[in-house]
Amino acid sequence: EAQVTQNPRYLITVTGKKLTVTCSQNMNHEYMSWYRQDPGLGLRQIYYSMNVEVTDKGDVPEGYKVSRKEKRNFPLILESPSPNQTSLYFCASSLSGVGFGNTEAFFGQGTRLTVV
Amino acid sequence: AQTVTQSQPEMSVQEAETVTLSCTYDTSESDYYLFWYKQPPSRQMILVIRQEAYKQQNATENRFSVNFQKAAKSFSLKISDSQLGDAAMYFCAYRSVNSGGSNYKLTFGKGTLLTVNP
Repeated sequence: EAQVTQNPRYLITVTGKKLTVTCSQNMNHEYMSWYRQDPGLGLRQIYYSMNVEVTDKGDVPEGYKVSRKEKRNFPLILESPSPNQTSLYFCASSLSGVGFGNTEAFFGQGTRLTVV
Repeated sequence: AQTVTQSQPEMSVQEAETVTLSCTYDTSESDYYLFWYKQPPSRQMILVIRQEAYKQQNATENRFSVNFQKAAKSFSLKISDSQLGDAAMYFCAYRSVNSGGSNYKLTFGKGTLLTVNP
């Protein structure tokens, strides 16, 4: 079954304690990205990756890091979480390149992060 | 940069009735893609329907159809014969046809919460 798997689904942590949210896809997609969803703001892109070892900032990258060492995995790292990073996070993957712009983005189940 | 606006934070509809969710967008591009995603309480993001801007014909998927007005930059979603399972947050999204780098992201509206009354 084609899927994007995120872990954990729920996480409560304290300010400053480093954490990693994992994301893995089994569709051999080149393009992967992270979004955060906040009430009244919709989803905003944090970081994206066009392929292995190719990552770049999205619209709201401050306070986050990512890596793409393998095609299937794209972890999101919060080195020193703060309460304003309390949010719902989604990982997504899709085909990319010419002619694939209309293809579906597959989303993970979401990670509800609370930073206290 | 492109922007997507959903002017209805909440909507409600009676079961079996029809409802239309509004979406407008702003872009200087002539070609692009538009999507509606559904997010039920499970939080899963589910693609409902997609539209290529170069196609004049409005997309249809079973009970879901769009009214795509390119000149007005409008992309509304019509749900016919509404069912209880249609209750969800609905997001309109834009993607550039340029597949490189930052252009490939989905730009989302703020969402419309749809309630279906039995």
